[in-house]
Amino acid sequence: KQEVTQIPAALSVPEGENLVLNCSFTDSAIYNLQWFRQDPGKGLTSLLLIQSSQREQTSGRLNASLDKSSGRSTLYIAASQPGDSATYLCAVAGGTSYGKLTFGQGTILTVHP
Amino acid sequence: DGGITQSPKYLFRKEGQNVTLSCEQNLNHDAMYWYRQDPGQGLRLIYYSQIVNDFQKGDIAEGYSVSREKKESFPLTVTSAQKNPTAFYLCASSDPYHEQYFGPGTRLTVT
Repeated sequence: KQEVTQIPAALSVPEGENLVLNCSFTDSAIYNLQWFRQDPGKGLTSLLLIQSSQREQTSGRLNASLDKSSGRSTLYIAASQPGDSATYLCAVAGGTSYGKLTFGQGTILTVHP
Repeated sequence: DGGITQSPKYLFRKEGQNVTLSCEQNLNHDAMYWYRQDPGQGLRLIYYSQIVNDFQKGDIAEGYSVSREKKESFPLTVTSAQKNPTAFYLCASSDPYHEQYFGPGTRLTVT
């Protein structure tokens, strides 16, 4: 059974710092990996999707990498801003699961001015 | 505007009552999903549907039921058999093996 772990559980940084969020998964037979952002009491907003054949994806100040063989992904946020404060969730879709996602428990990010 | 709508945003029910949560999408996606989110536990899959008139159980289907009579709609019924129904419920849709898009969620409180 796939298990997804996110480290750290919480992170507090001053504005302007570059930061890295980590995600690991136990079964490397994934189809894709998705990073989401969730604001308190809201739904999930998709940030980046990495297919299993890809190594990384970039969107603005965000860069996500994938190392399928070692079961790891990182989300890099450059020049963090207070508006980046949210919970960041990593989720993997298994190879035979028709896109069903297994989620990590998230990293709560606080960026203070 | 394309997207996923869930209603209502907040729902309160007495123990022993069934309740139905609505999910509608106009993204023309084949697949739809229901997840449950509890504090400190991440999201867990309840049911999913690949096509109309077909659906499969997820990891925590006990006490829930769904239907998929139209491509755009995937309602979730929380029955009285669900032991701990109070939670935040999220609906999502996607094309197969593509990016999943989520609705704004329904917060259900059962007392």
